[in-house]
Amino acid sequence: KAGVTQTPRYLIKTRGQQVTLSCSPISGHRSVSWYQQTPGQGLQFLFEYFSETQRNKGNFPGRFSGRQFSNSRSEMNVSTLELGDSALYLCASRPGSLYEQYFGPGTRLTVT
Amino acid sequence: SQQGEEDPQALSIQEGENATMNCSYKTSINNLQWYRQNSGRGLVHLILIRSNEREKHSGRLRVTLDTSKKSSSLLITASRAADTASYFCATVLNAGGTSYGKLTFGQGTILTVHP
Repeated sequence: KAGVTQTPRYLIKTRGQQVTLSCSPISGHRSVSWYQQTPGQGLQFLFEYFSETQRNKGNFPGRFSGRQFSNSRSEMNVSTLELGDSALYLCASRPGSLYEQYFGPGTRLTVT
Repeated sequence: SQQGEEDPQALSIQEGENATMNCSYKTSINNLQWYRQNSGRGLVHLILIRSNEREKHSGRLRVTLDTSKKSSSLLITASRAADTASYFCATVLNAGGTSYGKLTFGQGTILTVHP
């Protein structure tokens, strides 16, 4: 099976702009989780979607949002970008019945 | 905030030596997982140990879990230069099915294996 794919891989945005990142899970996986990785805060959970419903949300401001489509593909959106949003954004998928997550290569977002 | 701590933060060894990394966490867990990350890329799942298990093996990996001390260790035996990476422990809380997709990560250990 093809792995988790994320697009774009690299992105440069300006403060105040918004951005949408995309994630295609492994075929058959209904759960998609998103994580932010920064040198200062490490890996932090953003949210999880399962069958188009948000099941869990991390401690991030409302500027961070997401959604999941009927084919399990997911997008996350960050509005009004701040310098501190510069990070590697990782998505991961899993079959609903298992705990281990399969990660994509990430999207490197730089906010200037 | 992170669930717990990992130590050491960095570990440098020679090929053929064993590498041990430790992880501590704070709350009741359903399971604990270890992941590897190469150079800021995506994470790769290595091994999962459930809260009712004490030890698990997978190839050159050995994981232990002590729920009374809320700690785990990952042992990589006979290390290779290709094992050079960052290693993270991640916990899944014991809070029901809706929590199973949320991993709470430690800060990670950077392992360098010299040829």
